[in-house]
Amino acid sequence: AQSVSQHNHHVILSEAASLELGCNYSYGGTVNLFWYVQYPGQHLQLLLKYFSGDPLVKGIKGFEAEFIKSKFSFNLRKPSVQWSDTAEYFCAVNAMDSSYKLIFGSGTRLLVRP
Amino acid sequence: DADVTQTPRNRITKTGKRIMLECSQTKGHDRMYWYRQDPGLGLRLIYYSFDVKDINKGEISDGYSVSRQAQAKFSLSLESAIPNQTALYFCATRRDINSPLHFGNGTRLTVT
Repeated sequence: AQSVSQHNHHVILSEAASLELGCNYSYGGTVNLFWYVQYPGQHLQLLLKYFSGDPLVKGIKGFEAEFIKSKFSFNLRKPSVQWSDTAEYFCAVNAMDSSYKLIFGSGTRLLVRP
Repeated sequence: DADVTQTPRNRITKTGKRIMLECSQTKGHDRMYWYRQDPGLGLRLIYYSFDVKDINKGEISDGYSVSRQAQAKFSLSLESAIPNQTALYFCATRRDINSPLHFGNGTRLTVT
């Protein structure tokens, strides 16, 4: 069965620190990969997505993610975080099989201290 | 996203009551989804629908049912609400499997 793991449940950083959030999935076939962000009190919004091609994808607000197929990973990075990046981040995987279910990880709550 | 509207925004109900959460969209998308969000568990898929005649169970469908009344409407029902169904519920749509989800603003449900 398809599953998504986010290992860091809570991350606390100071402004200007670098960020890397881990995401691993278990599915042997082709996948589409997403990172979503949920700011306090809001619904989820798309940060970036990977379907094919260059495994390093860039999203909004300076975020990027790298797909490493051999490691079944899609880690999210940002070189220098800001206080406004405080939010919860979700990795999601869409298996390209007959189900086409989009499964989310459990989320990582990021707190950036000014 | 105003294109995906969920009603009500908040609901408090008692154990055993039947309730319905509604979702409507103006994006013209065929694919619609219901998720619930719980702290530390992320979003879990309850049901999803690829068109009016195609409804599928997700990870946690027990205790829930859905109705796809039209392309634009996808309702989630709790037949007999229980306290562990207290959660934040999100409806989402997307155009196809290569498109991102568009979420509604959520319904916060409390079952006492």
